[in-house]
Amino acid sequence: ETGVTQTPRHLVMGMTNKKSLKCEQHLGHNAMYWYKQSAKKPLELMFVYNFKEQTENNSVPSRFSPECPNSSHLFLHLHTLQPEDSALYLCASSQDLTGRGFNQPQHFGDGTRLSIL
Amino acid sequence: AQSVTQLDSHVSVSEGTPVLLRCNYSSSYSPSLFWYVQHPNKGLQLLLKYTSAATLVKGINGFEAEFKKSETSFHLTKPSAHMSDAAEYFCVVSVPGTGFQKLVFGTGTRLLVSP
Repeated sequence: ETGVTQTPRHLVMGMTNKKSLKCEQHLGHNAMYWYKQSAKKPLELMFVYNFKEQTENNSVPSRFSPECPNSSHLFLHLHTLQPEDSALYLCASSQDLTGRGFNQPQHFGDGTRLSIL
Repeated sequence: AQSVTQLDSHVSVSEGTPVLLRCNYSSSYSPSLFWYVQHPNKGLQLLLKYTSAATLVKGINGFEAEFKKSETSFHLTKPSAHMSDAAEYFCVVSVPGTGFQKLVFGTGTRLLVSP
């Protein structure tokens, strides 16, 4: 059983809808990440949170809005998305973001497959 | 800048034959390197990691990788492929971001295993 749980697993939405993706980690980690995985492209880092504080926004459009209420939960709020936003969205967590955490692996959830109509 | 290059987009093997997935890295200092596997409709699972200890790293499911600094390579191998190994494999280098660990992913190699 994965230590990182993402819901829903699949989501179909119209361009004018508002929806949220949820991620929960049960590993006691302090850092959480959102990635976008599109066909034939490398995994793209979107956001990074460390102890609930956002430490990285990788030039993500404002129609994606992350929220991290505590170290175990991460949300990605979506609104007025575009067809090119259809992708697999992956959440990950890792132990910490200090220099000691430099070589700590990230643990991934199974992702949310998002389709924009 | 740190990066990884996976030399093959697809690799096809027969069940029971050896597997070789190639990865070259570029790094200005001693890197941390990982291999992840992704099965269909699943997230990424860590196979193994190299963090400047032993250059031959053993991972899960019989996979191993050898760090060769002179060749800037970190190839993934397995002596005998199983059908269940069919998946996409990602070579990853870890680099420090601004206060966080950033993973830079290769473009992936899809492993096909035939009976």
